[in-house]
Amino acid sequence: DMKVTQMPRYLIKRMGENVLLECGQDMSHETMYWYRQDPGLGLQLIYISYDVDSNSEGDIPKGYRVSRKKREHFSLILDSAKTNQTSVYFCASSSGTGINERLFFGHGTKLSVL
Amino acid sequence: QQQVRQSPQSLTVWEGETAILNCSYEDSTFNYFPWYQQFPGEGPALLISIRSVSDKKEDGRFTIFFNKREKKLSLHITDSQPGDSATYFCAASPYQGGRALIFGTGTTVSVSP
Repeated sequence: DMKVTQMPRYLIKRMGENVLLECGQDMSHETMYWYRQDPGLGLQLIYISYDVDSNSEGDIPKGYRVSRKKREHFSLILDSAKTNQTSVYFCASSSGTGINERLFFGHGTKLSVL
Repeated sequence: QQQVRQSPQSLTVWEGETAILNCSYEDSTFNYFPWYQQFPGEGPALLISIRSVSDKKEDGRFTIFFNKREKKLSLHITDSQPGDSATYFCAASPYQGGRALIFGTGTTVSVSP
């Protein structure tokens, strides 16, 4: 069964706390992504990972870092969370490249930073 | 700068009507255009896609019309059903890959019975 799993589904943190969002996939996809979704802004790319320890910044990497130590697992870390990082975060993995690319998304993590 | 633009931001249609969602892009190197459908509380999922060598792609009640010269495309949902109520994202990618899909800001469709 092709699946991207995100944990947790909901998270409430205080400003300044550290946040760890976790994502797993069972499709052995090399490429994985972290996006955030805010009303009116669509999906904004935070980081891309092309494989284990091969990560690149996306369009809005400031305030975030990532870790990929196993192909099936990709983590998003917020060191000292800020209130403007309140958002819904989506992890995705992709099969193929270019015209053959298809993204598989998780259900998202709704993060509230108070 | 938003490289992929969508309009309208939201759209309400009656059951049975045709919903038309618009998308435009800037970069002429884009030649793959998938549409993703997102239901509330879920992640987006691929709905239908088109390559720039085609001007039309049909899958059931969903049809993409593509105009390469004007850098515009549209998604038509014919005979709209309440179950089609969702947010639809247009995305774009260059043929060579190596670059992440660029998503538009989405159109939220509500179908009233």
